Amino acid sequence: QSALTQPASVSGSPGQSITISCTGTSSDVGGYNYVSWYQQHPGKAPKLMIYDVSNRPSGVSNRFSGSKSGNTASLTISGLQAEDEADYYCSSYTSSSTLEVVFGGGTKLTVL
Amino acid sequence: EVQLVQSGAEVKKPGESLKISCKGSGYSFTSYWIGWVRQMPGKGLEWMGIIYPGDSDTRYSPSFQGQVTISADKSISTAYLQWSSLKASDTAMYYCARKSHISFWFDPWGQGTLVTVSS
Repeated sequence: QSALTQPASVSGSPGQSITISCTGTSSDVGGYNYVSWYQQHPGKAPKLMIYDVSNRPSGVSNRFSGSKSGNTASLTISGLQAEDEADYYCSSYTSSSTLEVVFGGGTKLTVL
Repeated sequence: EVQLVQSGAEVKKPGESLKISCKGSGYSFTSYWIGWVRQMPGKGLEWMGIIYPGDSDTRYSPSFQGQVTISADKSISTAYLQWSSLKASDTAMYYCARKSHISFWFDPWGQGTLVTVSS
């Protein structure tokens, strides 16, 4: 059981916007601005898409944005494209573990 | 260019030992934590542990403590993940990733090492 909760799947049509949630506790998501998001295409390594809640690394499309409210972080993808179909994972700092990081269970995004 | 390059796929029998590697380049290897992640077939990502090559400070997830050993050789900018006695349930893809200097995000990631344990 993952420490952070994500929906198993979300879907949207090309051009639409979707949001993936990532719910934790005050010991992780809610207590710190250290949420990151990773995209993973089948057979590929994860790729950093958002760091520190809402920052985009260089080279990541501005269609990807992140936010946080209370114990829930969100990844929003606007103007959905076929290439966005992938698995998405949130990760957060956690004060509950000496490892200090924890993943969500992952969300499969399907572009209809 | 900052890069992490992992060793190639492995096929092992239950009970055998294994050590896979992750070589860093393009940055000061001793100054950044390296994390290891397991992804079992069709499943999500799991943090296994993390090491600071500068002083070999290592932390493990409770799920993996005692099951694997993480180490690093800073002279050759390489981190390792090893098993003393593999089980079929260790069959998975394993990734290494570099932790941000001042935060808790990871980038870049290695390409992954597929470990298959089968009799």
